[in-house]
Amino acid sequence: QKEVEQDPGPLSVPEGAIVSLNCTYSNSAFQYFMWYRQYSRKGPELLMYTYSSGNKEDGRFTAQVDKSSKYISLFIRDSQPSDSATYLCAIPGGGTSYGKLTFGQGTILTVHP
Amino acid sequence: DVKVTQSSRYLVKRTGEKVFLECVQDMDHENMFWYRQDPGLGLRLIYFSYDVKMKEKGDIPEGYSVSREKKERFSLILESASTNQTSMYLCASSLGTGRLGQFFGPGTRLTVL
Repeated sequence: QKEVEQDPGPLSVPEGAIVSLNCTYSNSAFQYFMWYRQYSRKGPELLMYTYSSGNKEDGRFTAQVDKSSKYISLFIRDSQPSDSATYLCAIPGGGTSYGKLTFGQGTILTVHP
Repeated sequence: DVKVTQSSRYLVKRTGEKVFLECVQDMDHENMFWYRQDPGLGLRLIYFSYDVKMKEKGDIPEGYSVSREKKERFSLILESASTNQTSMYLCASSLGTGRLGQFFGPGTRLTVL
């Protein structure tokens, strides 16, 4: 079993839709959770960062962590064509992992006008 | 603003050539990473470094080596390029345990003919 699993999609939605992107993880010791956005032919950029359980909101984006289910989600409200990108969840290993991250495979999202 | 730069955006090399990919960060980060990204396979860690002259193998180190002579610079070396090393190569850096995330460069699209 992979440490982090993410449905690669692709996911296609109309402009204005609410988008839900999800990852599951296997190690209950994970405490920090991140979402990256990667536009085509660019490097990933850190979008949101959460610690432990609960929700974190930033504009149209909400990151949610459910540690009991080992499930993390990213919601995008009022989606825009400019949100079309690949979204990757990432989890730091902690301890002496020297900053290593375990990434999900990434979900390709297209928001069409 | 944090910045990770990579020496080339696009590179074309021939089979058997020695290839150098350079990465520079200006954030005084201890950790630096080299990934390759291929469709359907996600981000795969090749090598990482947690200090000057220190390096650790990632998940797919075969056919690659690295060099970190200065804190800000991390080089990836393909000793004898092969066609199966055609890929997008991404460099990243992070502080300490990486709980604040990794910061990525724009990527180098390498084609080996």
